[in-house]
Amino acid sequence: DAGVIQSPRHEVTEMGQEVTLRCKPISGHDYLFWYRQTMMRGLELLIYFNNNVPIDDSGMPEDRFSAKMPNASFSTLKIQPSEPRDSAVYFCASTYEHGWGQSPEAFFGQGTRLTVV
Amino acid sequence: KNEVEQSPQNLTAQEGEFITINCSYSVGISALHWLQQHPGGGIVSLFMLSSGKKKHGRLIATINIQEKHSSLHITASHPRDSAVYICAVLGAWTIQGAQKLVFGQGTRLTINP
Repeated sequence: DAGVIQSPRHEVTEMGQEVTLRCKPISGHDYLFWYRQTMMRGLELLIYFNNNVPIDDSGMPEDRFSAKMPNASFSTLKIQPSEPRDSAVYFCASTYEHGWGQSPEAFFGQGTRLTVV
Repeated sequence: KNEVEQSPQNLTAQEGEFITINCSYSVGISALHWLQQHPGGGIVSLFMLSSGKKKHGRLIATINIQEKHSSLHITASHPRDSAVYICAVLGAWTIQGAQKLVFGQGTRLTINP
């Protein structure tokens, strides 16, 4: 398996534009997580899905952020409109069995570095 | 006060030294994870612990549930161990059936040859 695949690797956009980040989890994994990493706040969980259903989105910073998982092999994180403070590295991760707490294996994508100018 | 505190924030050591990174948390948890983030940015899951101790090669992780504390040890450290090590705790199940995942700020480890 190629691992968790995120695209794009880098994104530079102007303030106010819509940004869509994409993630393809490892086949067979039934949990998918979106994280954001900044220097100031470190790594934060934004939202996670189980079997394509959003379970906990309390980490999503505000209504400008939305995430979808239309099928088991694809998820998107959308920011509309984007702001400079959204600049960060966004990671996607997937895991299997009973989820994060009961599996030692969690696989991360390489991340998308977003810069909003 | 953060729910998950790591110490030290930065650690520099010489090759071969025994390394200890600490993680203290203030919430009830069902599991604790140690992650490794390489200089290139990739993140790897090292351990998941809910009790006791685990060992993978030169890495050892321990957890004391009563004291709400976990440690990550590296024996015979090597420059390739240089990375940021992140502690993450998975909270108890909520009424809504969700678990909150909370991260420490990370410990930047540099091993000099």
